[in-house]
Amino acid sequence: QKEVEQNSGPLSVPEGAIASLNCTYSDRGSQSFFWYRQYSGKSPELIMFIYSNGDKEDGRFTAQLNKASQYVSLLIRDSQPSDSATYLCAVRYTGTASKLTFGTGTRLQVTL
Amino acid sequence: EAGVTQFPSHSVIEKGQTVTLRCDPISGHDNLYWYRRVMGKEIKFLLHFVKESKQDESGMPNNRFLAERTGGTYSTLKVQPAELEDSGVYFCASSQYLGRGTDTQYFGPGTRLTVL
Repeated sequence: QKEVEQNSGPLSVPEGAIASLNCTYSDRGSQSFFWYRQYSGKSPELIMFIYSNGDKEDGRFTAQLNKASQYVSLLIRDSQPSDSATYLCAVRYTGTASKLTFGTGTRLQVTL
Repeated sequence: EAGVTQFPSHSVIEKGQTVTLRCDPISGHDNLYWYRRVMGKEIKFLLHFVKESKQDESGMPNNRFLAERTGGTYSTLKVQPAELEDSGVYFCASSQYLGRGTDTQYFGPGTRLTVL
């Protein structure tokens, strides 16, 4: 059983729409949650992290965390073609510096 | 400030040969991580250094893999002898832990290893 689950996609949204990316995790002891964006052939780039229940907003991005339901999501408002990439959800199980456990990623395609 | 760098960017070797991957973390980052992505699978953790000490090596697949971080700066990951299943992209990441929730791991561009 995978510890971090994501729909592989592709998720296709028109330009200007809201893209909603979801991630579920299995360990209730998980502490911190991260969203990375990865363009093809490039390194994962951190978009946001969240560790408290609720929403966290940064520009066009909003991370949502629901620990009771064990899911974390990323909303991208006003999607742009440049947002087309693979979005990786990662979970850290302690409150200190430690390894990340990744999902397989969701490929997002923003169409014109 | 320079990011995490990795060398080489690509390596093609034959089964049974030895390959050494290098990672230079962001200056001042005590934490250094190695991860691997096998085609079609998720990025998986290999090990974690804090300065020159191995904090967690639970993800190392077997004893053909040897990681070092002498002096607490750059790190090397040696695969000897390489097997076909070792093919994948090896990522290095570094971080400086500043308190709960602020351990941001910055990833390098990765080394694509192909074992023939």
